[in-house]
Parts: sequence; structure tokens; C-alpha cells
Amino acid sequence: QQQVKQSPQSLIVQKGGIPIINCAYENTAFDYFPWYQQFPGKGPALLIAIRPDVSEKKEGRFTISFNKSAKQFSLHIMDSQPGDSATYFCAARTDSWGKLQFGAGTQVVVTP
Amino acid sequence: EPEVTQTPSHQVTQMGQEVILRCVPISNHLYFYWYRQILGQKVEFLVSFYNNEISEKSEIFDDQFSVERPDGSNFTLKIRSTKLEDSAMYFCASSDQWGGNYNEQFFGPGTRLTVL
Repeated sequence: QQQVKQSPQSLIVQKGGIPIINCAYENTAFDYFPWYQQFPGKGPALLIAIRPDVSEKKEGRFTISFNKSAKQFSLHIMDSQPGDSATYFCAARTDSWGKLQFGAGTQVVVTP
Repeated sequence: EPEVTQTPSHQVTQMGQEVILRCVPISNHLYFYWYRQILGQKVEFLVSFYNNEISEKSEIFDDQFSVERPDGSNFTLKIRSTKLEDSAMYFCASSDQWGGNYNEQFFGPGTRLTVL
């Protein structure tokens, strides 16, 4: 049972482009939606997170858009740089200290 | 900046052997987690631990797995009799109890377990 569905599987953009990664969920009890960035050989690191009572959150060049009625959320990377090349995971959680349920991941490559 | 540490970084073992993966969570954190990531796949939850007991476990976390906080700093995952399909990257994570910053889970760098 896949609680969080993530697409696309991979993405290649040129420097300055805006990769967009989409996630969809079914469980309306989810109340916290983080995005994690993972570089090869490293653990996931929290990038940005949102709660369902807001529709958008920006931190630096990273923006989460959240559509509660559609049960979808997405990550936009503005003015992408080669250093943003990594795997990005969306996730969701139902309670404050509960397990994170991850999407399948999107490998983003930003070419110079 | 405080961080979660894990040892060893890579463990190679024979099928059927016991392994213990070690984690040192961030010092003032009280919630602990193990996740695993099979190569090229998503991160999967294994178990959460609070107040010296398991809070939640997944279907993956069967009788071959156990967790322990043997002292005030370490958090371990034991696999009693490893199988080939246990080969994965195992991540430890921890979270504080104060509710700030969305109770972020901080992940360690992982232990790569290879079962031959």
C-alpha cells in the first residue's frame, strides 16, 4: 500500500531551470509534509516542510505548493544550480513523533 | 551543530550471522527511529522508540529485529539472523520532545549492510 506517490522518477534540467516534483497522498490524517534532500552516500536531510493549513511555503530557492482538496503537494526549485543535483523525497506523517512515510524519490540532475 | 552518528559506516556479514548497528542520537532527543533504504528504492520505516519501549513497528520489523538503548547515549538495531534481503542502508533518526520546528527527524549518515 503506497501511502505517498511521487513523480517523476528522474528529472534533468539546465542551470537556472525550475524542476518540479509532485506528490500525492490518500490518508487525510497526514498533518505534516516534509521534503528531504539526499546526496549519494548520505542520509536524508530536511529541506522544507509544510502543514496542510497553508497553501505555499518558501525557503530560499525552495517552494512547497500544497493543495489540500486535491491531496497533492509539490516542490519547486527556483534558479536551480548544479549543486542541487540530488535525490529528493517527499514524505508525510500523521502525528507529531510518528513515522515518516516516504515517496519513491526523484533524482534531479542540474546540468551546467 | 549536533548530529546523529552511526557506526560502522559499512558492515559486511555472512547470511545467518547476527549484526548490531549502532547509533548515537542527538544528545537531548528522546524519540528514536530506524529506517532502511534498499539500493535505489525509497526510505522505509522500521521502528520507533520512546521511553525505553517500541512505539511503533512496521511489518518489516519481525522477530529477527530488535532495538535497544543500552545506555544514555547509544541506540542499537540488532538483526539476529541476517538474510540476503536485509542488505540495505540503515538510517537512524532522532527527534526532540519539545515540539519545535515541526519535530524534525534528524537522520544519521547510515550504515550500509551487505549480506553475502
